[in-house]
Formats: sequence, structure tokens, C-alpha cells
Amino acid sequence: DGGITQSPKYLFRKEGQNVTLSCEQNLNHDAMYWYRQDPGQGLRLIYYSQIVNDFQKGDIAEGYSVSREKKESFPLTVTSAQKNPTAFYLCASSISGTLNTGELFFGEGSRLTVL
Amino acid sequence: GENVEQHPSTLSVQEGDSAVIKCTYSDSASNYFPWYKQELGKGPQLIIDIRSNVGEKKDQRIAVTLNKTAKHFSLHITETQPEDSAVYFCAASKIGNQFYFGTGTSLTVIP
Repeated sequence: DGGITQSPKYLFRKEGQNVTLSCEQNLNHDAMYWYRQDPGQGLRLIYYSQIVNDFQKGDIAEGYSVSREKKESFPLTVTSAQKNPTAFYLCASSISGTLNTGELFFGEGSRLTVL
Repeated sequence: GENVEQHPSTLSVQEGDSAVIKCTYSDSASNYFPWYKQELGKGPQLIIDIRSNVGEKKDQRIAVTLNKTAKHFSLHITETQPEDSAVYFCAASKIGNQFYFGTGTSLTVIP
């Protein structure tokens, strides 16, 4: 089945630790995105990548880092510099590398809790 | 950047009734308006979208209307069913730019 796979589904982290969330897609999509979802708020863009080896900051990139070494993979690292990392993280992809040209396909999300 | 406001934040309807969710946007250059449905514990899924060159689009029980002059668009669900219960997000964007999402509406359909 084609789709986006995020792992882990649930993750607990101690303060001061970095953690990496995995996102893999087998849809052959050019663009990939990371969103953060907090209760009562819309999805906010953290980072996006329109092509391999290139990525751009979204509205809330501080305290996060990404890489895009392969078309299929777009891991997100939540660093200790992120002041309020407890949230639900969603990875998405779209066919075209040009933004706003079609549907976003989302993974099932990763819930990060900082203890 | 774009600012998208969505109302109401929660909505309860009886099964079979209609549900309407409204969104406003601030950037008159926005030209693409999708609606996403998010079921509990899942990622959002596109259910319908509309581009700025049309005023209305319908797909079975769901429809979206767009008023470019007033900068608002609405999602209409008719003959609601329990499986329509979910969180719905609107979004706005323009070509080459990111999507800006509303804050979501939690819809509950009461059997």
C-alpha cells in the first residue's frame, strides 16, 4: 500500500534530550512537510522540502532540524532548544515540488511528550 | 502571511441534519481552499477543495462555497451520519506558497 509512514507513534523524552521522528513515503512525491498540531490550534508548518537535499523553514522552525538525503525520507529532529516540544507532529507529502498545486497526504502522526 | 479563522470550534448535530462550518481568510491573493477531515488518532485527509475561479463545488453529501469578495468559504455537510464525526480543518493558500490552516471544528453527529 502506498502512503506515508511515521514512527514512532508515541514518544516520551526527558528535558534536554534530542529526539528524531521518522517519516517515510512510497508515493514518489517530490515535496514533504512537517506540521505541528496543538489542541485548539491549526496545523503549523515547521519545515518543508520541495526537492532532495533542499529544505526551507516554515513559520515555527526554531528548535527543530530536518534533512532530505533521499526522496522517500524526511526525518525531523526536535532539539533541546525547542522550548515547548510536547505536541502531535504530522508529516505530509504532495506530488509536485511546487507548493499549492494539490493535495497533501498525511501520515498518522507522532505524539511527543516531554517529561 | 495569510490568516485563516474558522468557526465554530465545536458543533453537534442530530443524525440526518445539516452541518455548516465557516472560514474567513485575509489574503485576497489566496486561490486554493481545501478542507481536511481528521479522525481520532489519524492524520487529516482531503475531502473537498475549491479554487478561486468557481463559487461552489459539490461531491455527494458535501459541498464547499466560496465568496471571494467577502473572503470567506464554507463547508456544508447534508444528511449527516455518525461517521461524519471528526475534526474538520479549512485551509487557504496561493500558488508557490504554503497552506495556512484554520483552528479546526470538532463535529459530533448524535445518532
